[in-house]
Amino acid sequence: EVQLVQSGGGLVQPGGSLRLSCVVSKFTFSTYWMTWVRQAPGKGLEWVANINEDGSIKQYVDSVKGRFTISRDNARNSLYLQMNSLRVEDTAVYYCARPPGRRLDLWGRGTMVTVSS
Amino acid sequence: DIVVTQTPLSLSVTPGQPASISCKSSQSVLHSDGMTYLFWYLQKPGQSPQLLIYEASNRFSGVPDRFSGSGSGTDFTLQISRVEAEDVGVYYCMQGIQLPWTFGQGTKVEIK
Repeated sequence: EVQLVQSGGGLVQPGGSLRLSCVVSKFTFSTYWMTWVRQAPGKGLEWVANINEDGSIKQYVDSVKGRFTISRDNARNSLYLQMNSLRVEDTAVYYCARPPGRRLDLWGRGTMVTVSS
Repeated sequence: DIVVTQTPLSLSVTPGQPASISCKSSQSVLHSDGMTYLFWYLQKPGQSPQLLIYEASNRFSGVPDRFSGSGSGTDFTLQISRVEAEDVGVYYCMQGIQLPWTFGQGTKVEIK
C-alpha cells in the first residue's frame, strides 16, 4: 500500500527545535516533489513548504522562512522538516503530502507539534 | 497572497439531498499552461484531508460520482448530488497557481 509514515512530533518550549520525518513506501519517492501542510488546533489548513525531486528547490510560507528547513534523503525515501526557533503559533498537526501537478493526492496521518512553556 | 473564500462555512443537509459549496479566489487560478490550479479536499472527522477534485473539475481516483466540481477563473463550486452520511466533514478548496498555496477557511458539512 502506498503510504506516508510520519514521526517526530512532541512538546517543545518556545525557542526550541524539533525535526519531523516522513518515510514513504510503495512509490518512487525520488521522482516526486513533496510538501508539508499544517493545521493549528481547531483551525484550517496552511501550506508550509515544498521541495523538488532532488532537493535543489525549496519553497516556504513567509511565517516559517529562516526558521524551518525542508529536506529529503532519496536513498532513505524520507522527507524532513527541521523546525528551529519554534513559536507558540507553530503549534499544529503537521502533515506530509505528495503534490503531483500541485494536487495533494497522498497525505500522511499527521504528527502533533506543541510549543508551550 | 491569493485569498480563497468559501461559502457557506457550515451546511446541514438531509441525506439524499444535494449540497453545494462555493469557492472564490482573489485572483484567477488559470495558469498560462492551460491548467486551472483549484483543488477540493475533504477532511473527515479525525482523519487527514483527502483529495476529491483536481484542476477544478476532475474527480480523483476512487471518489464517488456524486461529487462534481465546476467553475473557472475565480469562481468555483463543489456539488454533492445526493449527500450520504459518510460525506460529513470539512471541505476545503485550495489554489495552487501561486505561492504560497492557500486554502479556503473550510465548510463544515453535517447531516440533519
